[in-house]
Amino acid sequence: DIQMTQSPSTLSASVGDRVTITCRASQSISSWLAWYQQKPGKAPKLLIYKASSLESGVPSRFSGSGSGTEFTLTISSLQPDDFATYYCQQYNFYSGTFGQGTKVEFK
Amino acid sequence: EVQLVESGGHLVQPGGSLRLSCAASGFTFSSYSMNWVRQAPGKGLEWLSYISTSGGTIYYADSVKGRFTISRDNAKNSLYLQTNSLRAEDTAVYYCVRRSSDWNFDYWGQGTLVTVSS
Repeated sequence: DIQMTQSPSTLSASVGDRVTITCRASQSISSWLAWYQQKPGKAPKLLIYKASSLESGVPSRFSGSGSGTEFTLTISSLQPDDFATYYCQQYNFYSGTFGQGTKVEFK
Repeated sequence: EVQLVESGGHLVQPGGSLRLSCAASGFTFSSYSMNWVRQAPGKGLEWLSYISTSGGTIYYADSVKGRFTISRDNAKNSLYLQTNSLRAEDTAVYYCVRRSSDWNFDYWGQGTLVTVSS
């Protein structure tokens, strides 16, 4: 099974900061990588798919990059609404394995 | 507007069973494959099961294989998860998730809480 490892587990930041979260796969997954945002008590929301494609309606301050085994989610200028937990996920046509999550909190 | 509404979760004793349902609206349900994903309290996300558009292709995570059964009724725009032999570690919020044509997990329901405890 493919394992997904995110870093850091927690990130303290301020409004306006540039934030980067890293996700590593235990083997190559090409570009089959998605990023989700989850707020407390809510379902995850798809932000990025195929490593770098922005889901419709998601602000352009979110971007994704990488291929193979190393991937990055970047928030160019952190906004108050962005404080949440972020998950990466490798996926194929039937399943998906998630990283353990990165909580972005107020510094 | 795409909507997925789960129901059926509640408190059940270890060894018990529950049938979770997901009512879909706002899209052509029969054209999309569907998944169940769960999240234990304070923990991460775990993919559980997949069903194809017709129901002819099904997959399960090893953690639930042999205990859980996914099904769908396209005439009723509904997805189901029959959960048997429940264990304490099955306590979680269970999400119904649509798969896009690009394989994305693009729409999620609000979740239904299953608590397994004596």
